[in-house]
Amino acid sequence: DAKTTQPPSMDCAEGRAANLPCNHSTISGNEYVYWYRQIHSQGPQYIIHGLKNNETNEMASLIITEDRKSSTLILPHATLRDTAVYYCIVRVEAGANSKLTFGKGITLSVRP
Amino acid sequence: DTGVSQDPRHKITKRGQNVTFRCDPISEHNRLYWYRQTLGQGPEFLTYFQNEAQLEKSRLLSDRFSAERPKGSFSTLEIQRTEQGDSAMYLCASSLPVSGYTFGSGTRLTVV
Repeated sequence: DAKTTQPPSMDCAEGRAANLPCNHSTISGNEYVYWYRQIHSQGPQYIIHGLKNNETNEMASLIITEDRKSSTLILPHATLRDTAVYYCIVRVEAGANSKLTFGKGITLSVRP
Repeated sequence: DTGVSQDPRHKITKRGQNVTFRCDPISEHNRLYWYRQTLGQGPEFLTYFQNEAQLEKSRLLSDRFSAERPKGSFSTLEIQRTEQGDSAMYLCASSLPVSGYTFGSGTRLTVV
């Protein structure tokens, strides 16, 4: 699986949009971009995933650049409960080798 | 079905003892994964099952570790002759072949 690069940490003000960047310059054509987050002492939680089109769900939006070498996870109105480690992962979706490989992620701190 | 269930939530054991953890996946999910997470790191893949077949094992899984998934339902992860380096959070996840993972809350193992 392609590797991803994320800054170690960032913060944002409560109520503002949080834009979390991820670089995946070696992504292959059949690899999806997945985002998970992990709140302290809990298991990771699926947020969103996409191939090349932008995606939106009730939690977040995923913007993937046209060349697919980077993406941004957007939390439109961050709350204190969004403070967590966010993992950007690229993954082949089908087949026996479709496991998730986690890096260190980015720690988002939402301040009041 | 309320999600992936792991038992126990916490385990303290003396070095050299054997421990066994249990994971109950979401009932319709045929894939089950075990991960290990140490402080400050992302989850590391250990092994995964499709139904009852163990399809992949990480090199992290030494011969002291064994996992089973009888009848393709719940899974157990056993660690024999525990060492202090085994202290970690052990996470279980389940999924369908082309979907995001659902993680349990994990079992925190402390070896003293």
